[in-house]
Amino acid sequence: EIVLTQSPGTLSLSPGERATLSCRASQSVTSSYLAWYQQKPGQAPRLLIYGASSRATGIPDRFSGSGSGTDFTLTISRLEPEDFAVYYCQQYGSSPLFTFGPGTKVDIK
Amino acid sequence: QVQLQESGPGLVKPSETLSLTCTVSGDSMNTYYWSWIRQPPGKGLEWIGYIYYSGGTKYNPSLKSRVTISVDTSKNHFSLKLSSVTAADTAVYYCARTQLASLDYWGQGTLVTVSS
Repeated sequence: EIVLTQSPGTLSLSPGERATLSCRASQSVTSSYLAWYQQKPGQAPRLLIYGASSRATGIPDRFSGSGSGTDFTLTISRLEPEDFAVYYCQQYGSSPLFTFGPGTKVDIK
Repeated sequence: QVQLQESGPGLVKPSETLSLTCTVSGDSMNTYYWSWIRQPPGKGLEWIGYIYYSGGTKYNPSLKSRVTISVDTSKNHFSLKLSSVTAADTAVYYCARTQLASLDYWGQGTLVTVSS
C-alpha cells in the first residue's frame, strides 16, 4: 500500500499570502494518478487538481499543482478568504486503488 | 451539471447491515466508475470501493469481506451495503463519480451512526 504523508499538518497564513502544501508518497506514484481536494467544514471534498497539475473545472488559476515520483506540491498563489480549509492529496493505482493523505489544514493567522 | 445525492438510514444497530443509495442526476451513468468514500467524524477520507456502470467492482481490501456495491442504471443510482457494522463504521458516507483517477463530483454526504 502506498502511504501518503502531508506536511505541514497546519499552515497558518494571512489572506494574500502564498501557501505551499507538500504530499510525499512512500513509493513512486504515476503523475497522472495524483489529485488534490479541498474540504470545508460540513462540506464534501471538492476536486482541485488531477493528474498532478491539471486544474479541475471551475478551479481558479491561483491553485496549481506540481511534482512527480514521490514528491508533489499544491500551491495557492494568493490566499483568498474562501481558501481557508483542509486539503487532501490522493493517489490512484496501488491497492487499495484510492488512498488519501491525512490532510493539511490552512487556517487564518 | 452532475449531481449526486446519498440516501438511507442515519442510524444502524451493531452487527446489522448499513444500506445507502446514491442517486445521480444531470448526466448518464454510462462510461463512468462510481465510488463510495467515508470519513469518520473529525478524521480523514477512506475509499470503500467503486462500480463500473456495467457492473464490475473493486473494493478496499480492508473492507472487502463486508462490502457490496451494486448499480441500477435504469434508475440512475448505485448502492452500498456494509455488513456486520460496529461503532468503527460510524462516519459520513459520500458517493462520487470517478474519472481520470480522481473523484470529480461528490454527493453532500450522509452521516451514519452505528449504535444500539
